[in-house]
Amino acid sequence: GAGVSQSPSNKVTEKGKDVELRCDPISGHTALYWYRQSLGQGLEFLIYFQGNSAPDKSGLPSDRFSAERTGGSVSTLTIQRTQQEDSAVYLCASSFMGDNEQFFGPGTRLTVL
Amino acid sequence: AQSVSQHNHHVILSEAASLELGCNYSYGGTVNLFWYVQYPGQHLQLLLKYFSGDPLVKGIKGFEAEFIKSKFSFNLRKPSVQWSDTAEYFCALTAGGSYIPTFGRGTSLIVHP
Repeated sequence: GAGVSQSPSNKVTEKGKDVELRCDPISGHTALYWYRQSLGQGLEFLIYFQGNSAPDKSGLPSDRFSAERTGGSVSTLTIQRTQQEDSAVYLCASSFMGDNEQFFGPGTRLTVL
Repeated sequence: AQSVSQHNHHVILSEAASLELGCNYSYGGTVNLFWYVQYPGQHLQLLLKYFSGDPLVKGIKGFEAEFIKSKFSFNLRKPSVQWSDTAEYFCALTAGGSYIPTFGRGTSLIVHP
């Protein structure tokens, strides 16, 4: 694939609903990252995958947030019972080895009404 | 835990002016340092990176950064900015063998033609 893709690009949901955000990393990249970017803030690390396992989930803000990665490729970030403070741009990035340059997707803009 | 500080949150320049964006970090050991850029409506992308060797690093589009270990700094420079350099700039590091980067809050650069 050409780059990291994310879907949907925009998601508007009502408070209390569940949402799923998808990330397709660059083929062959073993490391995958999820970040959250709020207005005027930097990138907040959420979770990191190496292959299908997540050695570091320390950034997930609450137990309403979960993520999985299957086949060492596609990853899904799920937010249950969304709250208004979850509104942000959710970015996915991948890298060939965890220590190298990260390639970012376009992000999913989540709005919780 | 490590941290990254970008002291200039908003910078406004005229074309042909020189640019220096500050980035300081706190970590006592070995670090890898990055500058990422996000042009309006585009993905975050890598400008340049420092892992080891020559502390003066050249990146794309005429940007460079200098790693000064004694000052815990990795400032980004460009001798003459262009209108197309208008973007958000993020400094980041990985440290201590961790694969989780820490990002600064970003600097918004506006270049007037």
